[in-house]
Amino acid sequence: DAGITQSPRHKVTETGTPVTLRCHQTENHRYMYWYRQDPGHGLRLIHYSYGVKDTDKGEVSDGYSVSRSKTEDFLLTLESATSSQTSVYFCAISESGVKTQYFGPGTRLLVL
Amino acid sequence: KNQVEQSPQSLIILEGKNCTLQCNYTVSPFSNLRWYKQDTGRGPVSLTIMTFSENTKSNGRYTATLDADTKQSSLHITASQLSDSASYICVVSGNQAGTALIFGKGTTLSVSS
Repeated sequence: DAGITQSPRHKVTETGTPVTLRCHQTENHRYMYWYRQDPGHGLRLIHYSYGVKDTDKGEVSDGYSVSRSKTEDFLLTLESATSSQTSVYFCAISESGVKTQYFGPGTRLLVL
Repeated sequence: KNQVEQSPQSLIILEGKNCTLQCNYTVSPFSNLRWYKQDTGRGPVSLTIMTFSENTKSNGRYTATLDADTKQSSLHITASQLSDSASYICVVSGNQAGTALIFGKGTTLSVSS
């Protein structure tokens, strides 16, 4: 998985609790992305980062926040988890916007 | 509305046979088109990436074509193997930052022996 790890790999939580997912890369790539994948939908971009402390919103950013204090780490936080945020979350990295994105193994999140 | 449509939704073929997957898009502006393979329970893996000026690109037994005029792409798999069983996702990028990727819903390919 191109030097990308995600943690945790599986998580079950309750509605209303905060949740933080971590993406860690060893490739020193500038760009990092968070996606969610749901049945019946293609992958959808939540947030992305184009450098340390440089982040921006994607297509489905409501209810999510991100932080990137180091090149290698990109955190996704669900401020108050809802059942609609039950999904598989993928982190991706790339050297630049036009280069291939390499995806992590995913985190399965279940919000009860 | 920017959309990427893939067909067929699912496909079953015998090992050793060839197959072609289709992708039609209405994304504008257009930067590049990508094909990914996603095995069950894993993240997508890039197969090819093509810009406007490229009309064919190969990666082993995978050959992608792009017709930017008709906004169509295809992925041809030659001499299929059991390990080709996966979801194949067409992705169109609408900008240079890679932040306007429109993902298709994928074609699920099953290769049987």
